[in-house]
Amino acid sequence: KAGVTQTPRYLIKTRGQQVTLSCSPISGHRSVSWYQQTPGQGLQFLFEYFSETQRNKGNFPGRFSGRQFSNSRSEMNVSTLELGDSALYLCASSLLTVNTEAFFGQGTRLTVV
Amino acid sequence: DQQVKQNSPSLSVQEGRISILNCDYTNSMFDYFLWYKKYPAEGPTFLISISSIKDKNEDGRFTVFLNKSAKHLSLHIVPSQPGDSAVYFCAARANTGNQFYFGTGTSLTVIP
Repeated sequence: KAGVTQTPRYLIKTRGQQVTLSCSPISGHRSVSWYQQTPGQGLQFLFEYFSETQRNKGNFPGRFSGRQFSNSRSEMNVSTLELGDSALYLCASSLLTVNTEAFFGQGTRLTVV
Repeated sequence: DQQVKQNSPSLSVQEGRISILNCDYTNSMFDYFLWYKKYPAEGPTFLISISSIKDKNEDGRFTVFLNKSAKHLSLHIVPSQPGDSAVYFCAARANTGNQFYFGTGTSLTVIP
């Protein structure tokens, strides 16, 4: 069974540009969440999608957005990049049943210069 | 507001000894707790979990303890091995949604 796949693995962008990250969940998982990891901040929740609908959103500015497609694949977009957006972006998928864990992809390392 | 806290950023333990990683939470709606292990440049890997109806769950060398009255959980690794060296995150989920709340992580170093 394939795991969560995130592309690309590494990305370098210039301040002011925009970026789109992609996540393919485990087959059968309909819930996809995105997290930002920066040193000392742990994993900060960005948003969660289920059946193409955003159900939860973390405390991030509107420059961060996402969507989910009918095949459960998800994309995350960050517009007008800032230096502080440099981070590891992680996607996690899960079954929507009680007491089940989330499975993470390897992440996309975004560097904004 | 950090609802899940790991107050020890780092921990060093001798190989063969016990590693104890601690986690505190503030939200009484949390009913499912997990520990993840993370190596650099990789995504977190699920390690072990516990639901709020239990106070202990064991899986091989890993045991998680939950003290609901103190809103505290801990992960015990016995015996610790050098391959256990990684960052450990504790996470919690409320019964009202599918959002996981993560702590800031504890970096464990097991010294051979």
